Amino acid sequence: DAKTTQPTSMDCAEGRAANLPCNHSTISGNEYVYWYRQIHSQGPQYIIHGLKNNETNEMASLIITEDRKSSTLILPHATLRDTAVYYCIVRGFGNEKLTFGTGTRLTIIP
Amino acid sequence: GAVVSQHPSRVICKSGTSVKIECRSLDFQATTMFWYRQFPKQSLMLMATSNEGSKATYEQGVEKDKFLINHASLTLSTLTVTSAHPEDSSFYICSAARSGGSTDTQYFGPGTRLTVL
Repeated sequence: DAKTTQPTSMDCAEGRAANLPCNHSTISGNEYVYWYRQIHSQGPQYIIHGLKNNETNEMASLIITEDRKSSTLILPHATLRDTAVYYCIVRGFGNEKLTFGTGTRLTIIP
Repeated sequence: GAVVSQHPSRVICKSGTSVKIECRSLDFQATTMFWYRQFPKQSLMLMATSNEGSKATYEQGVEKDKFLINHASLTLSTLTVTSAHPEDSSFYICSAARSGGSTDTQYFGPGTRLTVL
């Protein structure tokens, strides 16, 4: 699976949109981009995934660049409960393993 | 939908004893479940992949005789830490793969914190 690069940490003001970037320049054509988050002392929570097209659900939006070498997770109106470590993971189709990197520690500031 | 539970949430045991952790998919069937371990201030590390009705596949460096995995049904996988030692103290997390659309998505349990005295 392709390697991902994320900033170590980010801050975002409460009520603002949080934009979390992820680079995956070696992604292959059949690999998906997955986002999870882990709030302290809990199991990871699935947020969203995509292949080529932008995706949106009740939690977030995922914007994937046309060349698929990077993506951005957008939390439209961040709340204090969104403080967590966010993991961007590239996973091949048919390969069920998830390889967790160090992620981005997002802190929402009141 | 897509709820995964783990039991117990916390366990403290004496060195040399065995501990069993259960992972259940509550509202879907999971042919494949995964077991991860997370040490303080570190990321999740995959220990093994558990397939219903067959032997688990262990990652390199994980002792299969120490971490016994049983996936006897489509909703239950168990991890037994045998002869636990203090260095096995960790946060153990399971996930279950739910099929949907063109790819599976893994949903995680809340984790089990194991402390070995």
